[in-house]
Amino acid sequence: QIQLQESGPGLVKSSETLSLTCTVSGGSISGYYWTWIRQPPGKGLEWIGYIYYSGRTNFNPSLESRVTISVDTSKNQFSLNLSSVTAADTALYYCARVVRFRFDRWGQGTLVTVSS
Amino acid sequence: DVQMTQSPSSLSASVGDRVTITCQASDDISNHLNWYQQKPGKAPKLLIYDASNLEAGVPSRFSGSGSGTDFSFTISSLQPEDIATYYCQQYDNLRPLTFGGGTRVEIK
Repeated sequence: QIQLQESGPGLVKSSETLSLTCTVSGGSISGYYWTWIRQPPGKGLEWIGYIYYSGRTNFNPSLESRVTISVDTSKNQFSLNLSSVTAADTALYYCARVVRFRFDRWGQGTLVTVSS
Repeated sequence: DVQMTQSPSSLSASVGDRVTITCQASDDISNHLNWYQQKPGKAPKLLIYDASNLEAGVPSRFSGSGSGTDFSFTISSLQPEDIATYYCQQYDNLRPLTFGGGTRVEIK
């Protein structure tokens, strides 16, 4: 059974870069799309972007200028970088697998707080 | 962007009740809609894909229907373990993929 686990700092300073990694276990990262989704405390879900195992990406236009998503197939990991963060980027960040544009496996999520 | 409007934003029902949530898209999205359940403190879970297909392992009391701009999600007999927030998600327009605002379901 495939599992995903987010990791990274839980606290990031305003104007700096948020960096998270998602480790995939129980299956290969190859052959699939992988995505990042976030959820501000008490609010709804916002799609950030996705990456194909080959490296092709697609981002939410509202975040595109600040987002990088990369993949490391040798480590079965993919990563998120979000630059120039503000308090509005404080959220629970989820990684998930994408199958035909549905998110069928999710990590447990990791809370990132942006401090001033 | 395709805007997804869910209603109601919250509801309270009794165990055994039939519960229906609606999701309206701002543009025609064919059947390109998925439904998720998010229990408190947990990650969302896929329940329905392509508007009406039940994900493997999901109880049959959950169902979805609709196409174009109007969709519905139904719990035929509400159970205590169904307490959660439910989200719709469209994938007809990939830039961006968008979710509805969520419907919080509580037990009366």
